[in-house]
Amino acid sequence: DGGITQSPKYLFRKEGQNVTLSCEQNLNHDAMYWYRQDPGQGLRLIYYSQIVNDFQKGDIAEGYSVSREKKESFPLTVTSAQKNPTAFYLCASSTGTSAYYEQYFGPGTRLTVT
Amino acid sequence: KQEVTQIPAALSVPEGENLVLNCSFTDSAIYNLQWFRQDPGKGLTSLLLIQSSQREQTSGRLNASLDKSSGRSTLYIAASQPGDSATYLCAPSNPGYQKVTFGTGTKLQVIP
Repeated sequence: DGGITQSPKYLFRKEGQNVTLSCEQNLNHDAMYWYRQDPGQGLRLIYYSQIVNDFQKGDIAEGYSVSREKKESFPLTVTSAQKNPTAFYLCASSTGTSAYYEQYFGPGTRLTVT
Repeated sequence: KQEVTQIPAALSVPEGENLVLNCSFTDSAIYNLQWFRQDPGKGLTSLLLIQSSQREQTSGRLNASLDKSSGRSTLYIAASQPGDSATYLCAPSNPGYQKVTFGTGTKLQVIP
């Protein structure tokens, strides 16, 4: 089955620690995205990548880092510089053409930092 | 900057009722608009995507319409069922890969 997997589903960390969230897709999509969702707010874009070895900052990139070494994988690192990291993190992918794209989402990772 | 508003924020209806969810957006220069469903604690599931040149799209009991010039889209759900209970989000996309803006959603509860 084609789709997007995110792991782990729940993640708990102590303040000051870096943590990496996994995102893998087997849809052969070019573009991948990381969003953050907080209660009462719309999804906010953290980073996106259109092709391998290239990525761009979204609206709220501070305190986060990403890599795109393989087409299938787009891991997100939440660093200790992120002031309020507790949130629900969603990874998505799309075909990446400008005329038509549809976003497909993974199941999400809930990160709690105490 | 695109801004998306979804009204109402929450809606409770009895099973079997037809209902309409509203989405308005400020920048009408969109490529397309996507409607999603999100169950509690889950990711988003794509329901319908309407291209900017289209007026509506249908999938089963769902019908989405788009009035680009007025910056509005509606999602019509026919004969609602308890399994339709979820949060529904709309997301117009504007030129540029990063420019998908999500609304905060309408939380729907269908009562048996």
